[in-house]
Amino acid sequence: EVQLVQSGAEVKKPGESLKISCEGSGYPFAFYWIAWVRQIPGQGLEWMGIIYPGDSDARYSPSFQGQVTISADKTINTAYLQWSSLKASDSAIYYCARHGSGFTKSWLGYWGQGTLVSVSP
Amino acid sequence: EIVLTQSPGTLSLSPGERAIFSCRASQSVSSSNLAWYQQKPGQAPRLLIYAASSRATGIPDRFSGSGSGTDFALTISRLEPEDFAVYYCQQYGSSPGTFGQGTKVEVK
Repeated sequence: EVQLVQSGAEVKKPGESLKISCEGSGYPFAFYWIAWVRQIPGQGLEWMGIIYPGDSDARYSPSFQGQVTISADKTINTAYLQWSSLKASDSAIYYCARHGSGFTKSWLGYWGQGTLVSVSP
Repeated sequence: EIVLTQSPGTLSLSPGERAIFSCRASQSVSSSNLAWYQQKPGQAPRLLIYAASSRATGIPDRFSGSGSGTDFALTISRLEPEDFAVYYCQQYGSSPGTFGQGTKVEVK
């Protein structure tokens, strides 16, 4: 069974750094792209970027390029989303999701449970 | 980037009724690379339809997708109580993969 398990909720202050994780199991982790999706509470879904764990090829939406870093460690089947300096506007739920196929262009077939990030002074 | 516009914003229907959601793209979606997701409060989205019309594993056949180019639709033939939720379309043919703003189906 394919599973994506994300790290727990975080409460941070503006300017702090943060790295959240997404551990995959039940499939060959290195061979499927992982996407990160943002959802501000009460709002819609935003595609942030994707990473191929096999070679750590990461691609970003222009809206998020330079704002976050997506990485992965295939040896421990884990993908990451990190910020070097959080802003209040980064407060949201962040989902990781696995591509449904092995292609770069693919639907999101499996989703993690989401990680709530709250940033306030 | 491709902008997806979903309509209506909210659909008020009763169980047993038919629901039809529209998703219109600002430019053609290559190879019908369009998916539909369902999201219930407090839950992660769930894949319903991919490649515009292929049902994901375990999705009941009352859900169907159609369309190509710039116009796509999701149809629920007869609403069940568990279908009241928010529905999103997503195109994944061009980077960045963009989502529509969602259509909420509420109980009339």
